[in-house]
Amino acid sequence: SQQGEEDPQALSIQEGENATMNCSYKTSINNLQWYRQNSGRGLVHLILIRSNEREKHSGRLRVTLDTSKKSSSLLITASRAADTASYFCATDATFGKGTRLHILP
Amino acid sequence: EAQVTQNPRYLITVTGKKLTVTCSQNMNHEYMSWYRQDPGLGLRQIYYSMNVEVTDKGDVPEGYKVSRKEKRNFPLILESPSPNQTSLYFCASSLLSSGRYGDTQYFGPGTRLTVL
Repeated sequence: SQQGEEDPQALSIQEGENATMNCSYKTSINNLQWYRQNSGRGLVHLILIRSNEREKHSGRLRVTLDTSKKSSSLLITASRAADTASYFCATDATFGKGTRLHILP
Repeated sequence: EAQVTQNPRYLITVTGKKLTVTCSQNMNHEYMSWYRQDPGLGLRQIYYSMNVEVTDKGDVPEGYKVSRKEKRNFPLILESPSPNQTSLYFCASSLLSSGRYGDTQYFGPGTRLTVL
């Protein structure tokens, strides 16, 4: 069963702009994690936010969590070409289908 | 270097020919799992293991077997592969039960399997 669902499915932005991806989930959670996947490679953990946290930062990443709406967002500021990848949210061991982010030069 | 390794990375086989994809981690993690990734379907968990000799079905276990005889290894076995098992497979591990206690999963590089 797929717990998280990312939105949008795909996103193209100019380098330097901010990218925002959203994740919705269905049941109560202990925490929510975001991962990045470069094409065909293994997923890499980006950030974890616990259910009692509302916002968390890591470098150019900002994650928010709204447990009342069962949703989370991932903001990447000042995007770079290297940010081109798919991004997944995960609750427990269940992943969404991902958002494909493409940074245009 | 802390890592999860998988072998082989690429495999083309024929229907019905048994195969094993190995997975090994050097981080002394208790929890290990297998996922398959298909276009439009995202990652789906096949099997997971909370510790040695403890394995459980994930969301899509049909057609697969696993074993966990040692803490570091978690092989995925396809007894009689079929074309619908053509996919990209990932092994992952985490210190404890992933997610429930806030554990990061570490992923292997993936195995691209084609069943003809």
